[in-house]
Amino acid sequence: DVKVTQSSRYLVKRTGEKVFLECVQDMDHENMFWYRQDPGLGLRLIYFSYDVKMKEKGDIPEGYSVSREKKERFSLILESASTNQTSMYLCASTPGGGRGQPQHFGDGTRLSIL
Amino acid sequence: EDKVVQSPLSLVVHEGDTVTLNCSYEVTNFRSLLWYKQEKKAPTFLFMLTSSGIEKKSGRLSSILDKKELFSILNITATQTGDSAVYLCANYGGATNKLIFGTGTLLAVQP
Repeated sequence: DVKVTQSSRYLVKRTGEKVFLECVQDMDHENMFWYRQDPGLGLRLIYFSYDVKMKEKGDIPEGYSVSREKKERFSLILESASTNQTSMYLCASTPGGGRGQPQHFGDGTRLSIL
Repeated sequence: EDKVVQSPLSLVVHEGDTVTLNCSYEVTNFRSLLWYKQEKKAPTFLFMLTSSGIEKKSGRLSSILDKKELFSILNITATQTGDSAVYLCANYGGATNKLIFGTGTLLAVQP
């Protein structure tokens, strides 16, 4: 079974802090994704990566950056956290090659910015 | 603009009832439609549909796609309290073949 592990289930940070959310997958997947999930808005794609050191903006990249230095790890960075970034953050991965395969999700990180 | 719309937004039923969840979409370059179940944590994959009219089935859950009318339904028969969850519909498509999610249907099954 694919295992996608997010480093924290719950995280509380202060406005202006630099926040790192970590995601690791153990199935050698090429593709990794970061979403945020908010009530009434569903899952929205922040950034994704199709290979090491490669990244592409999703639908709502503002205020975020990412890092993919190793194939198994995809980090989401909030450069200067703001209260409107309080949300559930979900990481996902899929194998490379055929886009369109089901994404496998981590358990999520519920981030609160005070 | 590509979009996926789910209905109803929420639903309360009793154990043993049958429910139908709806997903309609307007997505350019449609490739596939996926259903996920989300309880307290990670969305878990249920079905992927690519062809019209072919039912996918897993136990008490089944799903079908209509590519002409641009919708899919997810049926759950003989519901149990363990079916309580948010059910997410998503489409692969759009200009960059990303996964586009609906807002989900919250299903609550009462004993």
